[in-house]
Amino acid sequence: AQRVTQPEKLLSVFKGAPVELKCNYSYSGSPELFWYVQYSRQRLQLLLRHISRESIKGFTADLNKGETSFHLKKPFAQEEDSAMYYCALGGSSNTGKLIFGQGTTLQVKP
Amino acid sequence: EAGVVQSPRYKIIEKKQPVAFWCNPISGHNTLYWYLQNLGQGPELLIRYENEEAVDDSQLPKDRFSAERLKGVDSTLKIQPAELGDSAVYLCASSFTLNTEAFFGQGTRLTVV
Repeated sequence: AQRVTQPEKLLSVFKGAPVELKCNYSYSGSPELFWYVQYSRQRLQLLLRHISRESIKGFTADLNKGETSFHLKKPFAQEEDSAMYYCALGGSSNTGKLIFGQGTTLQVKP
Repeated sequence: EAGVVQSPRYKIIEKKQPVAFWCNPISGHNTLYWYLQNLGQGPELLIRYENEEAVDDSQLPKDRFSAERLKGVDSTLKIQPAELGDSAVYLCASSFTLNTEAFFGQGTRLTVV
C-alpha cells in the first residue's frame, strides 16, 4: 500500500537550532517525494521536490530509498519557519495523485 | 496573478442540506484536483480532472458527492445531502499538466451542524 508517515505531530525548537522533520514512505514503484508547507492563514504551497535537489529557504531533503525516507532538514531554524509541513508522495504509477502525510507543526521559539 | 480561487471560504449548513463549492484554476492549467482535508490530517484526493474529463474519481463518495468541470476550466464540487462527517476543508488545486507542480487554493471550510 502507498503510504506516507510523519511520526511527529509537533516539533518545537528554539531559534538557531537544527531542525529535522521526519518522513517515511511506502511505495512499490519509483517514488517522487515533495514537501509542502502551510504558513498561518496562507494556502498550501510547494516547498521542495526531491528531483530538483534544491535548497529552498535553507531547507534540504534527501531521498533515501534504502530507508524509504525523505526527511526535511535545516541547520538553523528561524521564527518565520513556524508552519505546518506536509510530506507528499507521487510517482509514475500515481498518475498525478499526491498522497500526503498527516503533517508536522513546526514551532520555532525565540 | 490570483492563483487558484475558491469560493466560498467558509460555509455553515444544516445536515441533509445541499452545498456546492466552486474553483477557478490558474489560467492554462489543464489538470484540476479536489482534495478533502479533515482536521489534523493531510489532504486526500477526491477527484482529478484532465481538461473536462474526470480521470480519477475512485475516492469520491458517489452516493452524495458529485463534481463537474464544464469546458475544462472552472469546477464545482457538490454534496447532497450533507452529513455531519462532511465537516472539513475542501481544497482545489491545479497544475499545468500531470506531474507538474500543483498550486492550491485557500480552501473552503465546511461546517455541517
